[in-house]
Amino acid sequence: NAGVTQTPKFQVLKTGQSMTLQCAQDMNHEYMSWYRQDPGMGLRLIHYSVGAGITDQGEVPNGYNVSRSTTEDFPLRLLSAAPSQTSVYFCASSYSASGSQETQYFGPGTRLLVL
Amino acid sequence: AQTVTQSQPEMSVQEAETVTLSCTYDTSESDYYLFWYKQPPSRQMILVIRQEAYKQQNATENRFSVNFQKAAKSFSLKISDSQLGDAAMYFCAYRSAGDSSYKLIFGSGTRLLVRP
Repeated sequence: NAGVTQTPKFQVLKTGQSMTLQCAQDMNHEYMSWYRQDPGMGLRLIHYSVGAGITDQGEVPNGYNVSRSTTEDFPLRLLSAAPSQTSVYFCASSYSASGSQETQYFGPGTRLLVL
Repeated sequence: AQTVTQSQPEMSVQEAETVTLSCTYDTSESDYYLFWYKQPPSRQMILVIRQEAYKQQNATENRFSVNFQKAAKSFSLKISDSQLGDAAMYFCAYRSAGDSSYKLIFGSGTRLLVRP
């Protein structure tokens, strides 16, 4: 298993540009999520999905869109990048959301710089 | 709202010694999960250990163990026989068993330095 993969590893954008951060997992996990990590802070939840076709907002959703057309993929779209979106983005997944299999596994992160 | 506090921005330990990282949390719930994640310079978030709130027994994973004090809302991580590879940021995280977003709430992290 490759686990949770993210592309790209690093991206520079200009203000107003759009882009998609890719996330994929090959563990047949139902739950997937996106977090952002800012300096001096822990991770904060942006969006999440409990299965294909189902998405919902997390703690800091503004400026981001998601979709979940397949179990494996959960892309994060920045509609019009702003300097405040400069951050490190992590995708995470877990088999289910409760019980003994609730552990979330994280991807390697995407570092985004918005100028 | 739940919060997680890590009051030690940085800790230092001599190789082969033991170090304890502190974490406190605030919640009104009785059923939840607690985690410690390690983030090395590669930035990969790696699960170190987890604890279910309904279990009184402290979790242990090899050299890593926790001291879970539910009444005090404290969840400290003890690393025994510290190794150079343990140097990293360590994040404490909380997840409500009843939150439909399954959101992890993280503390601000503790940077662990290991002296050779």
